[in-house]
Amino acid sequence: RKEVEQDPGPFNVPEGATVAFNCTYSNSASQSFFWYRQDCRKEPKLLMSVYSSGNEDGRFTAQLNRASQYISLLIRDSKLSDSATYLCVVPGGDNYGQNFVFGPGTRLSVLP
Amino acid sequence: DTAVSQTPKYLVTQMGNDKSIKCEQNLGHDTMYWYKQDSKKFLKIMFSYNNKELIINETVPNRFSPKSPDKAHLNLHINSLELGDSAVYFCASSQDPADSSYNEQFFGPGTRLTVL
Repeated sequence: RKEVEQDPGPFNVPEGATVAFNCTYSNSASQSFFWYRQDCRKEPKLLMSVYSSGNEDGRFTAQLNRASQYISLLIRDSKLSDSATYLCVVPGGDNYGQNFVFGPGTRLSVLP
Repeated sequence: DTAVSQTPKYLVTQMGNDKSIKCEQNLGHDTMYWYKQDSKKFLKIMFSYNNKELIINETVPNRFSPKSPDKAHLNLHINSLELGDSAVYFCASSQDPADSSYNEQFFGPGTRLTVL
């Protein structure tokens, strides 16, 4: 299994829809996880951190399943401005805590 | 105020040249990183420095040499540029990557390098 895997998409959804992305990881020792958002031709920015079973922030919910080694991101009531690539990030490698492995990203397009 | 800044934003150069990209952060963070994002959009870590000391050096050709004059700066020098070096290079910083409360990474705007 690759260190971090994501469905590249694109996910094309209408405004107001609920959409979910999954991310699987191979390093079972990882303790903290992140979702970053990257707009076209921009830098990644932190969306959410996930340390225990999950985290919720407004329309965004991240959940962690350690047994199956995946994290998910749920976006409710999608807005046009949610269109971006969502990157799953997992600490990995021998330099745990220092080396962050980024997934390939899932592209979301919210359509009017 | 820009938290993490990089210069230049765009860099177009010929194969075989040597070039540098500069990065500065004004967040007071101890750890800085260089990432490469290729045409397939994969973002891969290249180097990590903590308090001016090299922590991570992923499988990167030794034509790439990071330099950290102080903990607020991490520059990237590239010798003998090759076509495959064309990518977007992002600098980032974090306060304490090992502490879950402080390991958010803040990225610079990126430097788009094109090697002709």
